[in-house]
Amino acid sequence: QVHIVQSGPEVRKPGASVKVSCTPSSFTFTNFGVHWLRQAPGQGLEWLGWVSPHQDNRQLSARLQDRLSMTLNASTASMDLRSLESDDSAVYYCARMQLGPRRGYFDLWGRGTLVIVSS
Amino acid sequence: DIQMTQSPSTLSASVGDRVTFSCRASQDVSVWLAWYRQKTGEAPELLITKASNLETGVPPRFSGSGSGTEFTLTITGLQPDDFATYYCQQYESYSMYTFGQGTKLEI
Repeated sequence: QVHIVQSGPEVRKPGASVKVSCTPSSFTFTNFGVHWLRQAPGQGLEWLGWVSPHQDNRQLSARLQDRLSMTLNASTASMDLRSLESDDSAVYYCARMQLGPRRGYFDLWGRGTLVIVSS
Repeated sequence: DIQMTQSPSTLSASVGDRVTFSCRASQDVSVWLAWYRQKTGEAPELLITKASNLETGVPPRFSGSGSGTEFTLTITGLQPDDFATYYCQQYESYSMYTFGQGTKLEI
């Protein structure tokens, strides 16, 4: 059965960096874009950005692009967020999106990685 | 950015009921809208794409409709598993995907 395995929870101090990774199970990312989203406690979903499997296309949220980077190969996707602030505390999800026109929905999600930013 | 607004924020219902969720876009998104269900402590699960296309494996008690700026998700015959939070998401705007704030369905 296909699913996505995400790395474990992280605790960081303000100003530090965090890296979250995703690994596909029973498939590869070869034919999918990988997107990153987050959900602060009790809040809705915020799209952060995405990267294509050949890393020839990517887009990051304008709000976070100065602090955010993403990489992707067939077997692992990762997201780095720098200069962490308390407002960055959230569950971070990776999700796959099929490549192609008008496929802008997320058909498989990882289970999420809790990131806590606290002094 | 295209803003998505869901109503109501909370909906109370019972097992077996028929419920309807609303989602409004701040500008025309045609039919490029998806719906997700998120159970407590879990990741969102894709239910519907292109406003009304049921994702493979999703029970037929779920249905979606609408186009332009007004959309609805209907569940006919609520099951215990359906008490969760539901989100709409537009994908008309390439790489600028936005979600509604969610509707929590509670008993």
